[in-house]
This record gives sequence, C-alpha cells and structure tokens, in this order.
Amino acid sequence: KNEVEQSPQNLTAQEGEFITINCSYSVGISALHWLQQHPGGGIVSLFMLSSGKKKHGRLIATINIQEKHSSLHITASHPRDSAVYICAVSGGNDMRFGAGTRLTVKP
Amino acid sequence: DGGITQSPKYLFRKEGQNVTLSCEQNLNHDAMYWYRQDPGQGLRLIYYSQIVNDFQKGDIAEGYSVSREKKESFPLTVTSAQKNPTAFYLCASTPGQVGPQHFGDGTRLSIL
Repeated sequence: KNEVEQSPQNLTAQEGEFITINCSYSVGISALHWLQQHPGGGIVSLFMLSSGKKKHGRLIATINIQEKHSSLHITASHPRDSAVYICAVSGGNDMRFGAGTRLTVKP
Repeated sequence: DGGITQSPKYLFRKEGQNVTLSCEQNLNHDAMYWYRQDPGQGLRLIYYSQIVNDFQKGDIAEGYSVSREKKESFPLTVTSAQKNPTAFYLCASTPGQVGPQHFGDGTRLSIL
C-alpha cells in the first residue's frame, strides 16, 4: 500500500462544476502539500498546510490530522484548471508523493 | 526572476552511455532534490543534498550519481548501470528542510 493515496485517479468535469480531490496518508507528517502539474511537466506548489484550511482564489485545501486526510476543492472550475494534481507529505528529510489525479475540465 | 532551470528538456541516451542532466537554481536554496516520475506513479526520490559537498541517497539511487560542488548546481548523471532510465526527471529545491518545494520544468530522458 502506498503511503499517499489519491482519489480519483482521473476526473472529468464540466466548466463551472465544483471539484473535490481526496488524499489519504499513512505516515506521520510535518506538512501536506498540493501540487499542480501542467501538460508540459512543470510542477507548481499550490498549498502547504499542517492544519485546518487554506484558500487561494478558487482553490481550497483542507486537512484533518486525526483522520490523516486532505481534500483539494476547486470552485467554479474552468478548462485552464485541467492538469494533474498531486498530493505530497513531508516529514524529516524528504517528501512522499501520491500518484496524482488527472483533471479535465470541458467547456 | 528566481527559479530552477533544468536542461535539456529532452535527452536521448544510447545503450551503455552515461548522460548528465543539469539543474541550476538562483533561489539561494540550501536543499536540492532529484526525482523520477513514471506514468501512473508518484514522484520517487533519487538523491538529495542539504548542503554543498554533501548528498544522500533516496529511494532509487542505484544507477545514478550526483555532485554538489556549488550551492546553485546539482547535476544528475544517469549511468549505464541504470537499466530502465526512460522517465521524466524533476529537480527541486527548498530553503531548508521544511518548506514548499520549487520545481524545475523537468527533463524527459529516452533510450535510442
């Protein structure tokens, strides 16, 4: 079993829909990260959080430390949100990554 | 603008050949990392370095080597001992042990 599990693996939505991507982890962590990878391959860090909730524009990330679970929400989704979203956890000297969720938002 | 530069974007390797992937950062970050990404899998750590002239093996270091002679540079050599080198390679850096990682745009390595 992977240390970081994401669901779903693939997600297709219509423009404007509310989107949720889930992440569960099985190890102790100091922080959880949500990353966005565009088709060209480059990765951008969206959020780093260790408790509660963070919001940036239409993106919201939450974490429940007791349940070892995090969610990434996208409100009013847009085709430009199409990307792979990666959950990662850090603790100690390295990070552990989920396999990613491929999101496609259709106009 | 500060960032991480990886080159080349695409690289082809012949059987038995060593190739070196470049990673340069001007963020003044202490820690640098190399990851490998395969389809359907999460990023896996190859090597990391927290300070100049020091580096540590990650989960899949076999067949790879690195150096950290300068703070801003962390090149990765894929040796002929790496039997399945075809993958997407990402370099990252952080100011210290904890913090969001900044990523380069990656190098896609293929075998001829």
